[in-house]
Amino acid sequence: EAEVAQSPRYKITEKSQAVAFWCDPISGHATLYWYRQILGQGPELLVQFQDESVVDDSQLPKDRFSAERLKGVDSTLKIQPAELGDSAMYLCASSPGQGYTEAFFGQGTRLTVV
Amino acid sequence: GENVEQHPSTLSVQEGDSAVIKCTYSDSASNYFPWYKQELGKRPQLIIDIRSNVGEKKDQRIAVTLNKTAKHFSLHITETQPEDSAVYFCASSTAGGFKTIFGAGTRLFVKA
Repeated sequence: EAEVAQSPRYKITEKSQAVAFWCDPISGHATLYWYRQILGQGPELLVQFQDESVVDDSQLPKDRFSAERLKGVDSTLKIQPAELGDSAMYLCASSPGQGYTEAFFGQGTRLTVV
Repeated sequence: GENVEQHPSTLSVQEGDSAVIKCTYSDSASNYFPWYKQELGKRPQLIIDIRSNVGEKKDQRIAVTLNKTAKHFSLHITETQPEDSAVYFCASSTAGGFKTIFGAGTRLFVKA
């Protein structure tokens, strides 16, 4: 069964350092999402791609976060500089991008900023 | 901004009882409402969804109802089992997955 792949699974970084997460969506899925999930809360959309284009990044803190999906396949989310409040689970998800379809989530990257 | 409110935040039921989780959305353009189950340490996974042209959908012990006029939708789990214990999230979006907003989640405990 195809799955969304994310790496690393866990990341500990010091504040003010740069950190990057990688996501490989299910093959053929045009839509890719990055979510941030703080413990005890629901996923919060950071950025949504349709192929290589950003269609929603209204909740992305653009002064420190950036995301790219250069070839419309895999994607990277970067934080620079990391802050203590960035500690959370970062979930990547993908969907076919058409019709009424669910989002398939990856295992996530748990980030701890110390 | 647009949001989805979910209640209750925690729900404890006895095995075999029913559980109901309710959500309210604000975006009138929303027409797709998925429900996800997230077990401890695992990824959210879809358990059921409903489109805006349908009022109710059932899949074995799970059912979802939608009231478009009131912008309410609910998840119903009957004959609960301990393995139903998890966090459940409702979400609203448009076709194609645009403007997907999640509720804050409901932690369901099913006591054996």
